[in-house]
Amino acid sequence: GAGVSQSPSNKVTEKGKDVELRCDPISGHTALYWYRQSLGQGLEFLIYFQGNSAPDKSGLPSDRFSAERTGGSVSTLTIQRTQQEDSAVYLCASSPLGGGADTQYFGPGTRLTVL
Amino acid sequence: AQSVTQLGSHVSVSEGALVLLRCNYSSSVPPYLFWYVQYPNQGLQLLLKYTTGATLVKGINGFEAEFKKSETSFHLTKPSAHMSDAAEYFCAVQGTGSNYKLTFGKGTLLTVNP
Repeated sequence: GAGVSQSPSNKVTEKGKDVELRCDPISGHTALYWYRQSLGQGLEFLIYFQGNSAPDKSGLPSDRFSAERTGGSVSTLTIQRTQQEDSAVYLCASSPLGGGADTQYFGPGTRLTVL
Repeated sequence: AQSVTQLGSHVSVSEGALVLLRCNYSSSVPPYLFWYVQYPNQGLQLLLKYTTGATLVKGINGFEAEFKKSETSFHLTKPSAHMSDAAEYFCAVQGTGSNYKLTFGKGTLLTVNP
């Protein structure tokens, strides 16, 4: 079946602009996660959705970052007033239930470059 | 708080040689542990996971890992390396409670020489 998809695959933007990154999880998966992968910080958790609710936003690095999920499916990560330190690969993952030992399936990521 | 340490950011082996990638974890509760592989410009693919039960876990592509509670380790092995194994490998521990996020190690880049 179809895996997790993300768009765009690459995004180049200018400092100060807003960007939106999209994640389409595997159909029927109730849990959705956003992670960020950067050279300096490795893989970091950003936010977790269970259905349309976000019980844990503790990984969002600043209030410039926000995310929403609609219909228990598609999620959008928005970064406002982008900074150069936001340059990274943003990975989305989904899992069937969001419980312990649940496998997270990752998308290919969106590579964000802020000039 | 949970954490993962991967010893060796870069491991180089010859084709046909044993692959050993080291992972140690810190967790206040019995952990769920994962190994993921990332090929260039791709997302993460699950190799194997430990939840409960048998401590020797077999995964895809001939990889296996052994959970050793006394050593807080979850090392990844493969008896004979193949060129196609060249990739970056991440060990992760899963959170508990209301958030099942993964906490990853820094990764180990595996190079396989002909």
